[in-house]
Amino acid sequence: QVQLVQSGAEVKKPGASVKVSCKASGYTFTNYFVHWVRQAPGHGLEWMGIINPSGGGTDYAQKFRGRITLTRDTSTSTVYMEVGSVRSEDTAIYYCTRDYLPGGSPGGFDPWGQGTLVTVSS
Amino acid sequence: DIVMTQTPLSLSVTPGQPASISCRSSQSLLHSDGKTYLYWYLQKPGQSPQLLIYEVSNRFSGVPDRFSGSGSGTDFTLKISRVEAEDVGIYYCMQSVQLRTFGQGTKVEIK
Repeated sequence: QVQLVQSGAEVKKPGASVKVSCKASGYTFTNYFVHWVRQAPGHGLEWMGIINPSGGGTDYAQKFRGRITLTRDTSTSTVYMEVGSVRSEDTAIYYCTRDYLPGGSPGGFDPWGQGTLVTVSS
Repeated sequence: DIVMTQTPLSLSVTPGQPASISCRSSQSLLHSDGKTYLYWYLQKPGQSPQLLIYEVSNRFSGVPDRFSGSGSGTDFTLKISRVEAEDVGIYYCMQSVQLRTFGQGTKVEIK
């Protein structure tokens, strides 16, 4: 079955960087765009960015441009999200999710990864 | 950026009664391809979100028919005809006509 499995929880000090992985299985990795969404404690969902696993092209929400980097490794069907210079406000659950339709057309998300808690604390 | 505004932000419903959530976008979600890219998700407690409705009014695979979506342009509605205990959680609308934006979420509880 189609599955996205994320790496485990992270604890980081302010100013450090954090890299979260999302391993895809059950489908052709390069056919579906992958997105990252975060949810701060007690808050709603916030879209962060998108990556095309085929060519590696990315786009980011204005708020995150210059702070996050999305990359992929086609040999392992894995997408990575790196947040640089984290601060306390970056404490959140980070989700990867996939377009439910192939080819990058505007669309919704299914399935979702299980989420990765990133805690930023001194 | 397109801003998505949901109302109400919380809802307490008696089982078996209907519920309705509104979502308004700051710009039309009608794409040049003729489709309207408005989606609804439910995030149950402790779980990842799940897709309920795509392109305004289409139920995703496995979604019960008590859920329905309607609307056009900038105004959209999610309706639950008869709320069940398993429907508790936070409902989000999302647009995908210009990157992606979520609404603030509507928390649905059972009375």
